[in-house]
Amino acid sequence: DIVMTQSPDFLAVSLGERATINCKSSQSVLDSSNNKNFLAWYQKKPGQPPKVLVYWASTRASGVPDRFSGSGSGTDFNLTISSLQAADVAVYYCQQYYDTPSITFGPGTRVDLK
Amino acid sequence: EVQLLESGGKLVQPGGSLRLSCAGSGVTFDTYAMNWVRQAPGKGLEWVSGIGAAGGWTYYADSVKGRFTISRDNSNNTVYLDMKSLRADDTAVYYCARDSYSGSYQWWFDPWGQGTLVTVSS
Repeated sequence: DIVMTQSPDFLAVSLGERATINCKSSQSVLDSSNNKNFLAWYQKKPGQPPKVLVYWASTRASGVPDRFSGSGSGTDFNLTISSLQAADVAVYYCQQYYDTPSITFGPGTRVDLK
Repeated sequence: EVQLLESGGKLVQPGGSLRLSCAGSGVTFDTYAMNWVRQAPGKGLEWVSGIGAAGGWTYYADSVKGRFTISRDNSNNTVYLDMKSLRADDTAVYYCARDSYSGSYQWWFDPWGQGTLVTVSS
């Protein structure tokens, strides 16, 4: 199975400041035939289900504010929140869907207000 | 709007059995693969099982293989997860999650249901 790691485990950011979360995969999730990275990001708030933010590593899901952006390729990815809002306090998970059906999630990064 | 609603979670003794249901509404159900993903208390997300749009294939995580069975009834827009030989480490909120694309299998999920809590304890 592809192992996903995230850093940091916890991130405290002031309102309006940038937050960047890193996700690494134990092997590449890039399909060179179509140049697509099989990597998604989810936001999880307490008592709510996960919500997809980004797929194909950098495509923002419908309705997701443009302060969220995904980047990276191969084994190294970032989720950036350009200007943190109070509503963004949550745990963020990356997920690889390259090695199906053995899809795997990262351990999560908790983002809170400083 | 697409909605998924899980039910069936409860307290069950180790070694017991349980059936979870996930009812879908608001969209054509039978053209999407469906999955179950769980989150144990204080832990991250773990994919559990998936089933093809017509039920033609099923897959399971190693941690549940041989103990859990996924099925679907497209006439009733419902997916099931039958769980047996339950263990304490199966304790989790179980989410039903739809594959993102109709007619193909992308393996990233949108939307998700609200979840149902399964507690395995004596």
